[in-house]
Amino acid sequence: AQSVTQPDIHITVSEGASLELRCNYSYGATPYLFWYVQSPGQGLQLLLKYFSGDTLVQGIKGFEAEFKRSQSSFNLRKPSVHWSDAAEYFCAVGALNAGNMLTFGGGTRLMVKP
Amino acid sequence: DTGVSQDPRHKITKRGQNVTFRCDPISEHNRLYWYRQTLGQGPEFLTYFQNEAQLEKSRLLSDRFSAERPKGSFSTLEIQRTEQGDSAMYLCASSLQGGAEAFFGQGTRLTVV
Repeated sequence: AQSVTQPDIHITVSEGASLELRCNYSYGATPYLFWYVQSPGQGLQLLLKYFSGDTLVQGIKGFEAEFKRSQSSFNLRKPSVHWSDAAEYFCAVGALNAGNMLTFGGGTRLMVKP
Repeated sequence: DTGVSQDPRHKITKRGQNVTFRCDPISEHNRLYWYRQTLGQGPEFLTYFQNEAQLEKSRLLSDRFSAERPKGSFSTLEIQRTEQGDSAMYLCASSLQGGAEAFFGQGTRLTVV
């Protein structure tokens, strides 16, 4: 069975500082990996995705993520955080053999200090 | 295209009542998914449709939960005899078959009192 672990429940960074959110996954085949962001009371917005090819993927809002098969990781990064980035971030793995059902991690809440 | 639309956005109901939520997917998407998200947790997969066929429903939380997509367009999720533990955000998503990327709606927040 697939699973996703986001080890950091909360992270606080200063505005302008760099950010890295960790994600580890367990999946029996080549995974489809996603990062979503959720603002309070809202649905999820896709930041970026990895299907195959280049292991460094670029997304919206200046985010990027790197797929490392050897570490079963897909960490999200941003070089300079803006106050508007404060939100909940979810990593997910898609099961291609089950209609691309997504399994989500527990999320990381990002707070940004002025 | 207005994206995935869910109605209502909020629902307060008394324990024991039945509730129904509606999801309108992106028009050309033939896959539709339902997820539940409880406070402080990531979304949890419930069921999905390809066109009008419900291809996975073993993850529905109990037999009080059911979903339909009668004409392969909009879908409804019904919860019968609601319990306080059903209080959660119910999210709908849609995608193209093989397209993999799922687009989410704003969700319906259910509160059972």
